[in-house]
Amino acid sequence: GQQVMQIPQYQHVQEGEDFTTYCNSSTTLSNIQWYKQRPGGHPVFLIQLVKSGEVKKQKRLTFQFGEAKKNSSLHITATQTTDVGTYFCAGPKAAGNKLTFGGGTRVLVKP
Amino acid sequence: SAVISQKPSRDICQRGTSLTIQCQVDSQVTMMFWYRQQPGQSLTLIATANQGSEATYESGFVIDKFPISRPNLTFSTLTVSNMSPEDSSIYLCSVEFAGGIGQPQHFGDGTRLSIL
Repeated sequence: GQQVMQIPQYQHVQEGEDFTTYCNSSTTLSNIQWYKQRPGGHPVFLIQLVKSGEVKKQKRLTFQFGEAKKNSSLHITATQTTDVGTYFCAGPKAAGNKLTFGGGTRVLVKP
Repeated sequence: SAVISQKPSRDICQRGTSLTIQCQVDSQVTMMFWYRQQPGQSLTLIATANQGSEATYESGFVIDKFPISRPNLTFSTLTVSNMSPEDSSIYLCSVEFAGGIGQPQHFGDGTRLSIL
């Protein structure tokens, strides 16, 4: 079945530094979504990418969808303590509205 | 934005008992889903709650263990039956507000369940 993998599993970042987390799907995706889950909280939708090669920015967060629509990345610049949490990518299953979530990247920020 | 209320927020239960979790949305939604998230893990879809009909379960999840109801477009329940310590997890409902493929999902706060 469809698999969505994320690397790294953990990311320890010094405050102010940049980092990137990667998402790879075993199948071509019609779209990819990113969610953030703060410690003790629930996942919150961040963004959706639909087009091949699409790049979207939300303040210090830059999301990219690969040309083959099988991978995606999230780049965070000038990391802040508010960026702490787990970032999940999710792609639609073969049919319908169901999502397959990646394993997540757990981000820890060192002040 | 709409409010998704999930009850209870947490519970500690004895093995062999059952617990029903409620998910209430303050507006009509097209899709409702139930997920399980084990500590430090990703989200695993249990089932899609279908309004007025039987839920659609994912591989590895069965109706006898996780009966689901969705009597209308704003409310659903998930029951975790005959619980064992392996059922200790966070259970989350999620909803989609609009029709069509690829809509974002919005999650309730989750139910943190511990089985003794």
